[in-house]
Amino acid sequence: DGGITQSPKYLFRKEGQNVTLSCEQNLNHDAMYWYRQDPGQGLRLIYYSQIVNDFQKGDIAEGYSVSREKKESFPLTVTSAQKNPTAFYLCASSIYGTHPTGELFFGEGSRLTVL
Amino acid sequence: QKEVEQNSGPLSVPEGAIASLNCTYSDRGSQSFFWYRQYSGKSPELIMFIYSNGDKEDGRFTAQLNKASQYVSLLIRDSQPSDSATYLCALIIQGAQKLVFGQGTRLTINP
Repeated sequence: DGGITQSPKYLFRKEGQNVTLSCEQNLNHDAMYWYRQDPGQGLRLIYYSQIVNDFQKGDIAEGYSVSREKKESFPLTVTSAQKNPTAFYLCASSIYGTHPTGELFFGEGSRLTVL
Repeated sequence: QKEVEQNSGPLSVPEGAIASLNCTYSDRGSQSFFWYRQYSGKSPELIMFIYSNGDKEDGRFTAQLNKASQYVSLLIRDSQPSDSATYLCALIIQGAQKLVFGQGTRLTINP
């Protein structure tokens, strides 16, 4: 079955720690995205990648970092510089990077809680 | 002004009635508009997209686009309890290779 796999589903972090959220897709999609969702809020774009070895900052990139060394993988690191990291993190992909169709396929999400 | 604005609700509609969800946007150059549905604790899924002015129907769902007034709507006919979810409006900003989402409207269908 093709899809997007995010792990872990739930993660607890102590203040000052970096954590990395995994996102893997086997859809052969060019573009991958990371969104953050806070309670009662829409999705805010953190980073996106249209092609392997390239990525761009989204609207709220501060305190986050990403890499795109393989087409299938787009991990997100939440660093200690992110002041309010408790949120629901969603990874998504779309078939084209340079001409987005607007159809995003989402993983099941990772819920990060800072203790 | 936010790029995409929605009334966060909650919007409560009796079963069998028409639910009407609205979204306004600020970028006049936007060409592509989308509605995603998100059940509580789950990830969003695309249910409708619309590119041209007017109505687009798909089963019980109708998307309406008015570019002159810069709004897009989603109508759900014969609402069912299973339609209870948060509905997110999204669009592609002209010249940008990304999708921008509104804050979502929480819809509850009452049996």
